[in-house]
Amino acid sequence: GENVEQHPSTLSVQEGDSAVIKCTYSDSASNYFPWYKQELGKRPQLIIDIRSNVGEKKDQRIAVTLNKTAKHFSLHITETQPEDSAVYFCAATLPGAQKLVFGQGTRLTINP
Amino acid sequence: KAGVTQTPRYLIKTRGQQVTLSCSPISGHRSVSWYQQTPGQGLQFLFEYFSETQRNKGNFPGRFSGRQFSNSRSEMNVSTLELGDSALYLCASRPTDSGTQYFGPGTRLLVL
Repeated sequence: GENVEQHPSTLSVQEGDSAVIKCTYSDSASNYFPWYKQELGKRPQLIIDIRSNVGEKKDQRIAVTLNKTAKHFSLHITETQPEDSAVYFCAATLPGAQKLVFGQGTRLTINP
Repeated sequence: KAGVTQTPRYLIKTRGQQVTLSCSPISGHRSVSWYQQTPGQGLQFLFEYFSETQRNKGNFPGRFSGRQFSNSRSEMNVSTLELGDSALYLCASRPTDSGTQYFGPGTRLLVL
């Protein structure tokens, strides 16, 4: 079945710098790749997603890139702010979107 | 629209007991998925229901079961609880024509 690897497990950056989180997936048939942000004690919230027919997507300070050949996708956060501190999860799903397979998560800390 | 809701939010049980968790999806969403979140295993897929039918199941023992009602509300049941079942149980709903899943706040289960 599908497997998603996420790196790094922890990331600490200075406020204002950029942060990059990377994921690789195993099943080339996967076609939908969402990113979730989970703050302490709260539910995972979708922050951005990308489909396999698109190479890059941006939403203000957040962007996701997808390399289907290499089977990896990345989250880029620019001009980081303290409120960006959270755990970020990548996920992949096969056509039919019945099941999300998650990476292990990255704990992002923004240092003021 | 109101978001996904889950009840109860917190639960303490002892080994051997059984527990039922409830999830109400976003109005109009017919798909409900359940996930288990633990520090060691991350977010793992339990099962997905659509129109009262289980369409997909993760790698969990038969002690974990679920069902969906005609109004799309879903319940999951865990019988003969074990200490390792302590976790945050999240449900997520999604529209029929989208892969985007929206999570509820979760039920935090502690098994003593």
